[in-house]
Amino acid sequence: QVQLQQSGPGLVKPSQTLSLACAISGDNVSNNTAAWNWIRQSPSRGLEWLGRTYYRSKWYSEYPVSMRGRVVINPDTSKNQFSLQMNSVTPEDTAVYYCTKGGTTASPGFDYWGQGTLVTVSS
Amino acid sequence: QSVLIQPPSASGTPGQRITISCSGSSSNIENKYVNWYQQFPETAPKVLIYRTDQRPSGVPDRFSASKSGTSASLAISGLRSEDEADYYCAAWDDSLPGWVFGGGTKVTVL
Repeated sequence: QVQLQQSGPGLVKPSQTLSLACAISGDNVSNNTAAWNWIRQSPSRGLEWLGRTYYRSKWYSEYPVSMRGRVVINPDTSKNQFSLQMNSVTPEDTAVYYCTKGGTTASPGFDYWGQGTLVTVSS
Repeated sequence: QSVLIQPPSASGTPGQRITISCSGSSSNIENKYVNWYQQFPETAPKVLIYRTDQRPSGVPDRFSASKSGTSASLAISGLRSEDEADYYCAAWDDSLPGWVFGGGTKVTVL
């Protein structure tokens, strides 16, 4: 059974960098049929996909146009986890952040989710 | 403003059948699989339907889904009180590219 355990601060100051990690158990971040995603949810913006990383003979990271230049998602094979970094945050980035597995043609949707981390951007 | 458009609410009495629509475009729903998620308060979404009409094991067959053109729909038959939740559609969008979601539909059992 795959489990995703999120960690990271719940409060970030405006203009600073948001950093979250997602530790994987029951699977491997290098699984060449999986993808590892970050998704956030807020009342104003709903559910928003932030990007993903995956391994297919080499590592790939993909982001929607709206997040390019702000978001970086990296794997950490030594810790079997992946991370999210979002720079220059504003109060509009206040949301619950989820890490997920899935979202490939081979997977049944986003089939595993982390517990969620409420990140508040405030001074 | 979500890329996929859902009605904000839907309701029915126990035992009724309700449907939730999800409207998209040629860059997402028309040529891609649609997934549906169910979310209860303070919990992460759970996949209800994947690849447009497939149910994961453990999801009751009261839940069904389909797609036609640029729209998809989720049906809940034999509505039960425990179906009160928020429901979201999702699809890959080639124009972003990336996953896009509907704004969610809150289902109330009267």
